[in-house]
Amino acid sequence: GEDVEQSLFLSVREGDSSVINCTYTDSSSTYLYWYKQEPGAGLQLLTYIFSNMDMKQDQRLTVLLNKKDKHLSLRIADTQTGDSAIYFCAESLNAGNMLTFGGGTRLMVKP
Amino acid sequence: GAVVSQHPSRVICKSGTSVKIECRSLDFQATTMFWYRQFPKKSLMLMATSNEGSKATYEQGVEKDKFLINHASLTLSTLTVTSAHPEDSSFYICSAPYVAGYEQYFGPGTRLTVT
Repeated sequence: GEDVEQSLFLSVREGDSSVINCTYTDSSSTYLYWYKQEPGAGLQLLTYIFSNMDMKQDQRLTVLLNKKDKHLSLRIADTQTGDSAIYFCAESLNAGNMLTFGGGTRLMVKP
Repeated sequence: GAVVSQHPSRVICKSGTSVKIECRSLDFQATTMFWYRQFPKKSLMLMATSNEGSKATYEQGVEKDKFLINHASLTLSTLTVTSAHPEDSSFYICSAPYVAGYEQYFGPGTRLTVT
């Protein structure tokens, strides 16, 4: 079955880069996503990547995909205190399908 | 990005009563919407897929008679928690695919507390 895993917690200092990692088991995964959730709020789509891509960059965010190792990472450059939140990776087999989520990584940014 | 709204954002009800949660896609049409449940400090678990004009598809272990889903139009899906019990207390979030389905947008969630 599908399984998506993330480390639980990451702490960085303001201004440093943050790297949040995710592994998945289903090699059929076609779309991979990163969402941000702040306390008591819904999920904000940060970015997504197709499985035929290795990298995607969007302003401070860089997504790297190693399809061979089924490893996805999200790098946040110049991390700010406002980036403190829980970050979920998710995968989907097809466009418009349900998402399978990882357990979430809590990012804490210290001033 | 596209906007998905949910109403209410927070509801407290007594055991045995029913609660309806609405999920709306505000500026796009969604023939499919998804309902997730999130326990405190946990990830999201898919409950069911809401299909416009047809029956919802429920995940294993989710009682369809307890969690009634109606996808009445291309912009509205409702989740009704019937005969609510304290163990139904949770954060319920809906999502809708946008732009050929590549992007999925989530509502802000509904916090249900059953007393």
